[in-house]
Amino acid sequence: SQQGEEDPQALSIQEGENATMNCSYKTSINNLQWYRQNSGRGLVHLILIRSNEREKHSGRLRVTLDTSKKSSSLLITASRAADTASYFCATDTPLVFGKGTRLSVIA
Amino acid sequence: DTAVSQTPKYLVTQMGNDKSIKCEQNLGHDTMYWYKQDSKKFLKIMFSYNNKELIINETVPNRFSPKSPDKAHLNLHINSLELGDSAVYFCASSQDRLAGLTFGPGTRLTVL
Repeated sequence: SQQGEEDPQALSIQEGENATMNCSYKTSINNLQWYRQNSGRGLVHLILIRSNEREKHSGRLRVTLDTSKKSSSLLITASRAADTASYFCATDTPLVFGKGTRLSVIA
Repeated sequence: DTAVSQTPKYLVTQMGNDKSIKCEQNLGHDTMYWYKQDSKKFLKIMFSYNNKELIINETVPNRFSPKSPDKAHLNLHINSLELGDSAVYFCASSQDRLAGLTFGPGTRLTVL
């Protein structure tokens, strides 16, 4: 099964700062997706980047993909308290997600 | 309008019982999934259906049986519940296998 592994496991920043999370995976992919999960809720799809893309933006989110290193990063700029959540990456048909990165944004 | 809905939201039951969780999506998606999230937050796929046909069945005990009466519904029936079945179960749907998923709110199952 394909699997994304997020790093770091936890990240705490001040409101207004940027947050960067990383994801590594093991096999070749068609696409990589990032999701957010607020405590006690279902996952929300944030962004999908295809294997032939290197960077993608959506609002305050910037995702990069390096297929040679089998890694991706999610950057959240100008973070807000509402961004506090766990963030997961997953590849192709998301079979297995990692434990995610728990982001805490302190007001 | 809820895109992916699940019922019930909470389910507390005794070991050995049989229970069902229902899922419905109103997005017109062709593919539906069941995921299990354990206490360590690992989220793992259990089943996937495409247009009512089973396409993924990931090493899940046969006590778990999905049923898809139509492409908008994917229900999960669990027989002879065990303590280890306690988890949050998420239903999800997508337009196809390479598209992003829309998740339901989850069903927290507690087996006593």
